[in-house]
Amino acid sequence: GESVGLHLPTLSVQEGDNSIINCAYSNSASDYFIWYKQESGKGPQFIIDIRSNMDKRQGQRVTVLLNKTVKHLSLQIAATQPGDSAVYFCAENRKAAGNKLTFGGGTRVLVKP
Amino acid sequence: EAGVTQFPSHSVIEKGQTVTLRCDPISGHDNLYWYRRVMGKEIKFLLHFVKESKQDESGMPNNRFLAERTGGTYSTLKVQPAELEDSGVYFCASSPNSETQYFGPGTRLLVL
Repeated sequence: GESVGLHLPTLSVQEGDNSIINCAYSNSASDYFIWYKQESGKGPQFIIDIRSNMDKRQGQRVTVLLNKTVKHLSLQIAATQPGDSAVYFCAENRKAAGNKLTFGGGTRVLVKP
Repeated sequence: EAGVTQFPSHSVIEKGQTVTLRCDPISGHDNLYWYRRVMGKEIKFLLHFVKESKQDESGMPNNRFLAERTGGTYSTLKVQPAELEDSGVYFCASSPNSETQYFGPGTRLLVL
């Protein structure tokens, strides 16, 4: 697949446990952040987003936390399931830059049964 | 509602040949983006269309790459002539509002 040759940090988690995926961003002017999930052979799939004026946002089994002081973003997945195995990317977006996304390198999540 | 579609899913060509990738955005989405991930690197922005106009093409690597969106619907990305370093996965995304971008499955390009 397209991940060959791309050395990704890997998070190995037991089914049913919670997962935390971290991301550092560089631009303090970014005003919108998104987490994407990419399964093998597919494109990035939107999971959840958060605006820069928020610290936390919850979705179904997922929570995104934003710490602007240290420019850190995290994605928490509750009760991780085998279907959660994928590569997860954070992306930042700035309206002033035309809303083009800047992606992080990605984290591979492997769920062990 | 159909998502973003891309064609072909895979393409294997020889160095020096031409390849054209196609993206059909979600119906009604004025914003269309091209990104790519080359081996060992992050997903990088290439360019952004608003309807048929190029809003930002700052990510296009060189003049071997040409993107069009005639009529403001589907878009094509042509690479001519292709080089080895162009190998990677080319993603298209569309958005109604430039914030949430919905990605297609990608075209996996291999230049030999």
